[in-house]
Amino acid sequence: AAGVIQSPRHLIKEKRETATLKCYPIPRHDTVYWYQQGPGQDPQFLISFYEKMQSDKGSIPDRFSAQQFSDYHSELNMSSLELGDSALYFCASSFQGPQETQYFGPGTRLLVL
Amino acid sequence: AQKVTQAQTEISVVEKEDVTLDCVYETRDTTYYLFWYKQPPSGELVFLIRRNSFDEQNEISGRYSWNFQKSTSSFNFTITASQVVDSAVYFCALSEGPTGANNLFFGTGTRLTVIP
Repeated sequence: AAGVIQSPRHLIKEKRETATLKCYPIPRHDTVYWYQQGPGQDPQFLISFYEKMQSDKGSIPDRFSAQQFSDYHSELNMSSLELGDSALYFCASSFQGPQETQYFGPGTRLLVL
Repeated sequence: AQKVTQAQTEISVVEKEDVTLDCVYETRDTTYYLFWYKQPPSGELVFLIRRNSFDEQNEISGRYSWNFQKSTSSFNFTITASQVVDSAVYFCALSEGPTGANNLFFGTGTRLTVIP
């Protein structure tokens, strides 16, 4: 079965640079979520989109933005990167409806030097 | 406010032993979903189970079983006859609302090490 695809899988950036992470949800899933997992921590919700509209917002810094496109893929744009942004970034997707489950992609590991 | 507590930070067991991972949650919603995810050393998050707040039936899937008790706000996870491949961090998570498709609040995870 098709899974959530994230690219790139690994990314190294310098402080103050920008980064763009991409997420391709499971086919027919209409909702995308972004989570950030720092080293040794639990995943923290950043933002979600349903049918290309922002549906919920968590602890996403103002330096980050995201959107969902007409083909349902999503991009997380990160600017003015800081050392503390080094983390594993997960995208998850689901279908809005009862008894639905979020399925996670493999994650993008971002290292800011 | 919602909260998920996994009091056990790390557990080590010898292969073939049974182990139970504890999860206690807090929510004001009457409709919510509880999840367990497994994060092996490779880093991905693997969905294990979903349970909604109206279904307190325990569930068994192979060596895995789950005990959901609303009276104690707990959703515990037991692995029977543990294997080395079970070594991972296990997260309990809560989603509030009627669909289970709202954002997840994770516990801090329990790192399970199964010693051969």
